[in-house]
Amino acid sequence: AQTVTQSQPEMSVQEAETVTLSCTYDTSESDYYLFWYKQPPSRQMILVIRQEAYKQQNATENRFSVNFQKAAKSFSLKISDSQLGDAAMYFCAYRSVLLEYGNKLVFGAGTILRVKS
Amino acid sequence: GAVVSQHPSRVICKSGTSVKIECRSLDFQATTMFWYRQFPKQSLMLMATSNEGSKATYEQGVEKDKFLINHASLTLSTLTVTSAHPEDSSFYICSAPRQASYEQYFGPGTRLTVT
Repeated sequence: AQTVTQSQPEMSVQEAETVTLSCTYDTSESDYYLFWYKQPPSRQMILVIRQEAYKQQNATENRFSVNFQKAAKSFSLKISDSQLGDAAMYFCAYRSVLLEYGNKLVFGAGTILRVKS
Repeated sequence: GAVVSQHPSRVICKSGTSVKIECRSLDFQATTMFWYRQFPKQSLMLMATSNEGSKATYEQGVEKDKFLINHASLTLSTLTVTSAHPEDSSFYICSAPRQASYEQYFGPGTRLTVT
């Protein structure tokens, strides 16, 4: 079974600074999806960024980028120019492409990000 | 974009009663929907997979008779918490994957409080 580990329960960043959230995962599969979701105080889950494992290029979405290290099974999220609205709980998630797993997401424990003004 | 709705957003019920939570995909058909439970400052815990036209698949440790799931149509799944007790108080979230897509869409969640 796949597992996702987020080793940082909480992180803090100063407004306008850069912060990196860590995520490692374990799988025996070669193709899969990885995601970062944001859950603000409203508790609505919001997709931040995704990465297909077969793509070597790191995904980027505006101020959000990932460092995907497939061999190390690492998938960190970098938030540049942090804003107060970035304060939320962030979840790393894994999804297999195999039909037997359906479209299930395997979530990490989450990292609470606090942004200081 | 695709949207998933949940109703109600918040419900308070008395111990021993049952409460139903609806999850709807608003602009796409979802043959599968997922139900999660989330405690404060914790991750989402998958409870069950709702399958249109067939029985739900429950995760280990989740009581089937306690959490009844019905996938009535391609756009609606319901979770009924039967004989609710205070320990069932939690935040319940549903999600629906769009077919042939990587994306999974989440409902806004339902906060259940059992008194």
